[in-house]
Amino acid sequence: GAVVSQHPSRVICKSGTSVKIECRSLDFQATTMFWYRQFPKQSLMLMATSNEGSKATYEQGVEKDKFLINHASLTLSTLTVTSAHPEDSSFYICSARDLAEPYEQYFGPGTRLTVT
Amino acid sequence: GQNIDQPTEMTATEGAIVQINCTYQTSGFNGLFWYQQHAGEAPTFLSYNVLDGLEEKGRFSSFLSRSKGYSYLLLKELQMKDSASYLCAVLDSNYQLIWGAGTKLIIKP
Repeated sequence: GAVVSQHPSRVICKSGTSVKIECRSLDFQATTMFWYRQFPKQSLMLMATSNEGSKATYEQGVEKDKFLINHASLTLSTLTVTSAHPEDSSFYICSARDLAEPYEQYFGPGTRLTVT
Repeated sequence: GQNIDQPTEMTATEGAIVQINCTYQTSGFNGLFWYQQHAGEAPTFLSYNVLDGLEEKGRFSSFLSRSKGYSYLLLKELQMKDSASYLCAVLDSNYQLIWGAGTKLIIKP
């Protein structure tokens, strides 16, 4: 089956610094990638949708200048959390979709971000 | 608006059967997914229904009624490792997944 990787799996950073999370589709071309955030005991919350080569579409309430998304190639999307604050501590999950299979999303293993 | 409802938490006994229900109201429908998510991990795919009826896959089965906006996930011969959250999600007309809040399933010995 299709595989999506995320790096790093865990990261601890200090308040005010920036953190970059990578999401890669390993054996297929991901025309669309999704970034989710999940707080403890809550469901997934879609942050943004990115299509290769174009600007990401952010969900209401998500600051695009704070959560920078780049989808420069068909196999890589990055999420950069800028000027991180403790309230940004969360579980960030990406998923990827192949245009040939619009009904399927393949999830990465997630990144646990802790901001101290 | 779009809405997906599922129970917050359910408890069942090891070896028993449990049914997790999901009702939905969405803008368009391109299928319904069930995912399993263990604490601290990403969701893993369980099933996909786009036509009415029952899909069986081992100990897990999923049912869909599009006219009623209703689905259920049936888990048989429950094992302790089945303790997890089960997420219902609908693919809307824009091929975007609309997520339910998840049902936490607790399995007791």
